[in-house]
Amino acid sequence: GQQLNQSPQSMFIQEGEDVSMNCTSSSIFNTWLWYKQDPGEGPVLLIALYKAGELTSNGRLTAQFGITRKDSFLNISASIPSDVGIYFCAGTLGETSGSRLTFGEGTQLTVNP
Amino acid sequence: DTAVSQTPKYLVTQMGNDKSIKCEQNLGHDTMYWYKQDSKKFLKIMFSYNNKELIINETVPNRFSPKSPDKAHLNLHINSLELGDSAVYFCASSLVVLPGGNSPLHFGNGTRLTVT
Repeated sequence: GQQLNQSPQSMFIQEGEDVSMNCTSSSIFNTWLWYKQDPGEGPVLLIALYKAGELTSNGRLTAQFGITRKDSFLNISASIPSDVGIYFCAGTLGETSGSRLTFGEGTQLTVNP
Repeated sequence: DTAVSQTPKYLVTQMGNDKSIKCEQNLGHDTMYWYKQDSKKFLKIMFSYNNKELIINETVPNRFSPKSPDKAHLNLHINSLELGDSAVYFCASSLVVLPGGNSPLHFGNGTRLTVT
């Protein structure tokens, strides 16, 4: 099935640093979503993107829907210890009934205080 | 006030056994899902139900059988468990059948299944 290539797989940063991660696909996506998963919990939606070129912020998080509709990035500014977790990109290919939400492989973020 | 709740949180069982995982959502959503997260944290959809009707059935062994008695519940029954079934299983729901920003997925906290 369709897969999203997410990078990097893991990041180790110091508190206060900025972080950037991205996802690419060989197919055109209609929506891009970014989720965060804390240990022992399910993923939680951070940002949703609907249009090519769209740039959306949620606090210290900023995400963009690539112009080609084949990629997206997520930036986290001034990281704090509670940013630790796994970040997933996800996207949908179609808008018909039964469209699947495909997830990237995840980026494990570690923030050292 | 848990939105998507699944039980049990941990399930340890032996090969060959049959087990069930239950899921309930109180969000009034029409669509529910089962996802499997493997040891590398990769999330893959297994099933999707819209208002009790199966709409997505990925390539999953037929030992896995979902059941939706009503649109607020989607249970997962697994027969003849195998070692490779060990994973974290997530239930999720969305307002409508198209998952996306307008209808984002709400996940439960997962059931960690260990088959020995």
